[in-house]
Amino acid sequence: QVQLQESGPGLVKPSQTLSLTCTVSGGSISSGSYYWSWIRQPAGKGLEWIGRIYTSGSTNYNPSLKSRVTISVDTSKNQFSLKLSSVTAADTAVYYCAGEQQLVDYWGQGTLVTVSS
Amino acid sequence: QSVLTQPPSVSGAPGQRVTISCTGSSSNIGAGYDVHWYQQLPGTAPKLLIYGNSNRPSGVPDRFSGSKSGTSASLAITGLQAEDEADYYCQSYDSSLSGSGVVFGGGTKLTVL
Repeated sequence: QVQLQESGPGLVKPSQTLSLTCTVSGGSISSGSYYWSWIRQPAGKGLEWIGRIYTSGSTNYNPSLKSRVTISVDTSKNQFSLKLSSVTAADTAVYYCAGEQQLVDYWGQGTLVTVSS
Repeated sequence: QSVLTQPPSVSGAPGQRVTISCTGSSSNIGAGYDVHWYQQLPGTAPKLLIYGNSNRPSGVPDRFSGSKSGTSASLAITGLQAEDEADYYCQSYDSSLSGSGVVFGGGTKLTVL
């Protein structure tokens, strides 16, 4: 069974870059036809898809975040990563990594990232 | 503002039936993309409830059902139980000039009275 685990700083200062990594276990990130996505959820609010990457390196981003988001993949480590630049308090949220083929089959447990000085 | 529109809240008494709507547009649900539903309990990741518009993963009670028509979809829960109190999200895929990707509804909080 594929499992995903997010890791990274839980506190980021305003204007800095948020960086998170998702480690995939129980299967190869390169196998199958999954896209590897990042999804976030501010406290008390709904789910927002941030973007995704295929193991070929092809990416899609949410148009509302596209100018600040970079998603990359390291197949040798079975990991993919998120960078979100110029963060503000509005970026405070639980960030989930996920595996999807339009349907989100796999979810990480989520990690809270707080933007505060 | 979510791409898919859901009512913020619904409620029902134990044993009753409730429905949650999910309205999209011609670039997502109306384009033929499937709708999926997730249940989220506090402090946990969403759990898949319905996939491919109307299919239940193993382990999901048949009290939960989904349907899709045109640019909308709905989730029905019959025989409401206290344990059904949770947030529910619809999800589809969107392809437009501005890009392609996963889209979610804003979520619906179900209260069991």
